[in-house]
Amino acid sequence: GEDVEQSLFLSVREGDSSVINCTYTDSSSTYLYWYKQEPGAGLQLLTYIFSNMDMKQDQRLTVLLNKKDKHLSLRIADTQTGDSAIYFCAERDPGAGSYQLTFGKGTKLSVIP
Amino acid sequence: EAQVTQNPRYLITVTGKKLTVTCSQNMNHEYMSWYRQDPGLGLRQIYYSMNVEVTDKGDVPEGYKVSRKEKRNFPLILESPSPNQTSLYFCASRNSGAYSDTQYFGPGTRLTVL
Repeated sequence: GEDVEQSLFLSVREGDSSVINCTYTDSSSTYLYWYKQEPGAGLQLLTYIFSNMDMKQDQRLTVLLNKKDKHLSLRIADTQTGDSAIYFCAERDPGAGSYQLTFGKGTKLSVIP
Repeated sequence: EAQVTQNPRYLITVTGKKLTVTCSQNMNHEYMSWYRQDPGLGLRQIYYSMNVEVTDKGDVPEGYKVSRKEKRNFPLILESPSPNQTSLYFCASRNSGAYSDTQYFGPGTRLTVL
């Protein structure tokens, strides 16, 4: 079955770049996503990447996809205290009629002022 | 504003007392689903619906029911809640196009079953 792995914690200093990594097992995944969850809040879609892309940039966010290694990363430039949250990587298997997303367990990003 | 809404946001109940968590989306999405989030387990899909009157089980459907009588609403029903259903529940709806496939989540419902 599909599995998505993330490290659980990351601490960075304000102004530095954050890189959150994710590995997945399903090579047929077509879409890969990054969601942000702030304390007490729901899941906010940050960005997604289609599997035929290697990179996607959106303001301070850069997503890199290495299909050979099944590795996805999210880079946040100039990290701010407001970026402190849990970040979830997720994949969708196109063969799954349920369009179910398989989530990693989340990486808690702590930004040190 | 495009959004997915859930009610209630917080609920404390007792074992066996039937409850319903409502979910509504205003984006005319055909696909909707329910997830639960538990510490150390991440998010797991409970049920999903491809369209009106079409529902199917996800990974953890036991103890839950759903219905989809209208496109915008997808309530989650717990006929006889038990303590192991204490969790954070998220409803989601899906937008798809030629080059996009995104799922939008509601704000979550924190349920405690005593």
